[in-house]
Amino acid sequence: KAGVTQTPRYLIKTRGQQVTLSCSPISGHRSVSWYQQTPGQGLQFLFEYFSETQRNKGNFPGRFSGRQFSNSRSEMNVSTLELGDSALYLCASSLAALNTEAFFGQGTRLTVV
Amino acid sequence: GESVGLHLPTLSVQEGDNSIINCAYSNSASDYFIWYKQESGKGPQFIIDIRSNMDKRQGQRVTVLLNKTVKHLSLQIAATQPGDSAVYFCAEYYGGGADGLTFGKGTHLIIQP
Repeated sequence: KAGVTQTPRYLIKTRGQQVTLSCSPISGHRSVSWYQQTPGQGLQFLFEYFSETQRNKGNFPGRFSGRQFSNSRSEMNVSTLELGDSALYLCASSLAALNTEAFFGQGTRLTVV
Repeated sequence: GESVGLHLPTLSVQEGDNSIINCAYSNSASDYFIWYKQESGKGPQFIIDIRSNMDKRQGQRVTVLLNKTVKHLSLQIAATQPGDSAVYFCAEYYGGGADGLTFGKGTHLIIQP
């Protein structure tokens, strides 16, 4: 069974631009969570979607948004990029809403210049 | 806010020895505690979890111990192998909150030949 797929793997954007990252969960998984990983702050929860509804949201500004489609695929969007948004963005899927056994993708490495 | 942390950023052990990675948590209301392993260039990989009403749980070569009295969590890896080299994160999940999984900073396990 295929794992969690995140695209693109690497991305370079300039300040002020916006970016959309994509996540395809494991087949049959309906919950998708997004995390930001940086050396300074570690892994921080962004938001979680289940059945196309946002269940939880972390402490991030409104520039960070997401959505989930009927096939459980999810996208996250960051608008008006800042240098501090440079990070590894990880997507995790699980069968149920925030099941502790979450399966992570390899992440999208975003660099803002 | 509440957070989960690890005692040591780096742990070096001899191949074949047992490894013990420690974690202190602060939210006594957390329902689950989870250990993840992250190898270079990859997303975190679920290792094992433990419910808050348990003291010990064993997996293949791994044991997680939970001491709620002192809010301490540990991961024991038996007969450490080179493939165990990675960064290990503990995480907690509180079902009544909106923060998804709260991760600690991570311990880098280095295996000496």
